[in-house]
Parts: sequence; structure tokens; C-alpha cells
Amino acid sequence: GDSVTQMEGPVTLSEEAFLTINCTYTATGYPSLFWYVQYPGEGLQLLLKATKADDKGSNKGFEATYRKETTSFHLEKGSVQVSDSAVYFCALSDFDSSYKLIFGSGTRLLVRP
Amino acid sequence: GAGVSQSPSNKVTEKGKDVELRCDPISGHTALYWYRQSLGQGLEFLIYFQGNSAPDKSGLPSDRFSAERTGGSVSTLTIQRTQQEDSAVYLCASSLSFNHGADYGYTFGSGTRLTVV
Repeated sequence: GDSVTQMEGPVTLSEEAFLTINCTYTATGYPSLFWYVQYPGEGLQLLLKATKADDKGSNKGFEATYRKETTSFHLEKGSVQVSDSAVYFCALSDFDSSYKLIFGSGTRLLVRP
Repeated sequence: GAGVSQSPSNKVTEKGKDVELRCDPISGHTALYWYRQSLGQGLEFLIYFQGNSAPDKSGLPSDRFSAERTGGSVSTLTIQRTQQEDSAVYLCASSLSFNHGADYGYTFGSGTRLTVV
């Protein structure tokens, strides 16, 4: 069945550092891919998405490119801020998941001043 | 409403008691989803409703769990005879439709933190 694998956290960076959070997926079809962010004490918010191969999703300085050849959707940001500290979830929806969102286990990011 | 509203935000209950968790989706959203987030775990799908169609209950972990959606709007997740392993954050989400959610994602509520003691 469909699954999503994320790098384990926590990831600790200094402000203005470059961020990469790895995400790979397993799916037999052509899934839509998502990144969600959960700030402390809040619900999940959609950060960005991509619905087909080579699409790049972007929002708030974050980017992720749908790479079908490597089944990956890595999240990147060129210069993180303290306010980016949160838990980031990679997710997919696909025919095999009956189009329900399937989430990875989440990666906690801590940005120090 | 402006967002997905869940209540209560926190619930502490004794083992063996029943609990009800409520979700009020965004007005006009026909699809509603329940997920569970256990400590250190990802989000586990529980159930979803789409309009008047039969709900997809494939993620409910046991027959102690049930959910209903009245009038196509508010949903209640009920856990009977709660166990300590039921302790988690229960998240509700909605989308314009199931198909729309599959392509564009869901809007989540802030969740109900359930603690079974």
C-alpha cells in the first residue's frame, strides 16, 4: 500500500541556515503530494502541494519538487527563521489510498536565534 | 464557520468511560475526515464522510470507535470504554468535496487532546 517516509528529527538549525527535510513515498499510481506544517499548539496547515511530476510547490519561502524518478518530495528553504520552528508532515493521496491523505511521521524543526 | 472547529480542546477521562468529540467543519464543505495523532507518531486515518454517501470507516481501530455526521455538517466521534492506548490528539478536517481534498488538501481543526487515566 501507499506510504510516506520522512527523515527523523528533530532537526536543529541556526537562523538563516539552509533547510532540507527529506520525504520519499511509495505509491503505484500518480499521487498528489503535500507538505503540512503544525506550529506549537495549533492544527495542521497546508504549506504547499504538487499534483504531477516535476511540479514545484512553493509557499512562504519553502519549496518542494515532485520527483517521480526518485519518488521524492523534499522540502527546502534557503534561510530559516525562528518562527519556522514547527513539525512538518509530508503526505500523499492516490488511487491506492482511495484518495485519502496518507501522512509521514513528521519531522520536528527547531531554529535557534 | 471560518475554520474547522473542534471541542473540547482537552479532555481527561477515566479508563472505561465513554467520550464524545465534536467537529464543526467549514460551512459548505461536504467532506469531513477524522485522524488520530499519537505521541511521536504520524497521523492515522480513522474515518471520512462525503455528503450522503456511506462513510469510509476503514481506519477505525476497534468497534469501540464510532462516528456520525448529522445533517451533513457537525460530526461526533465516540469512543466507548476508553483505554489508555486511546490517549492521543484527535484531528478533524474538511474539504469542499472528497475529490477536491485529494487534489488540494484538507483544512484541519486544532484537535482534541484526549488523555485516558
